[in-house]
Amino acid sequence: GAVVSQHPSWVICKSGTSVKIECRSLDFQATTMFWYRQFPKQSLMLMATSNEGSKATYEQGVEKDKFLINHASLTLSTLTVTSAHPEDSSFYICSASLGTSVNEQFFGPGTRLTVL
Amino acid sequence: AQKVTQAQTEISVVEKEDVTLDCVYETRDTTYYLFWYKQPPSGELVFLIRRNSFDEQNEISGRYSWNFQKSTSSFNFTITASQVVDSAVYFCALMDSSYKLIFGSGTRLLVRP
Repeated sequence: GAVVSQHPSWVICKSGTSVKIECRSLDFQATTMFWYRQFPKQSLMLMATSNEGSKATYEQGVEKDKFLINHASLTLSTLTVTSAHPEDSSFYICSASLGTSVNEQFFGPGTRLTVL
Repeated sequence: AQKVTQAQTEISVVEKEDVTLDCVYETRDTTYYLFWYKQPPSGELVFLIRRNSFDEQNEISGRYSWNFQKSTSSFNFTITASQVVDSAVYFCALMDSSYKLIFGSGTRLLVRP
């Protein structure tokens, strides 16, 4: 149980285009989902926290107009990187927590984004 | 401020050696959780352990053991008789009262045959 999937697992796009990454909780309802970014050989940095049906809360320094997060249902959150540039190339990882167990996060396998 | 420090950037050992990965944390919260994750080359995070701040008992799971000491704000991880498959990046993380995970910078472990 507690499986989180991400799609796509990797994506290559041209500079200036937008890319959407999906995060799904497959066998549970996730009231809260988190988005992290990991640059090569670096740690995971929290980008934003999203709760179903409400606006995402972004961490300091993360542009909310560039990284659009939608958490439309209890099993799906999407991250859209708008007008992507090479410096947005990174590994994006989502996690989801159960409503009754907020102190545990289940991580997706990650999406590797390369912007040319 | 909440912070997790993993001072060891890279560790290289020979198979069957024991290795300890250090983790030091800072928090003002009295209730918090500590985690260890393994990240193999595939990138997917593998959950290893969660410990809450009121439980200072050490834990052993097979070749893995964890030493939690509130007095020194440390939560160290030991792998006994290391194996090549243990090669990965290991992250220590702190969950604060807002339920956000704060990760350390990670320790890259290389186990050589």
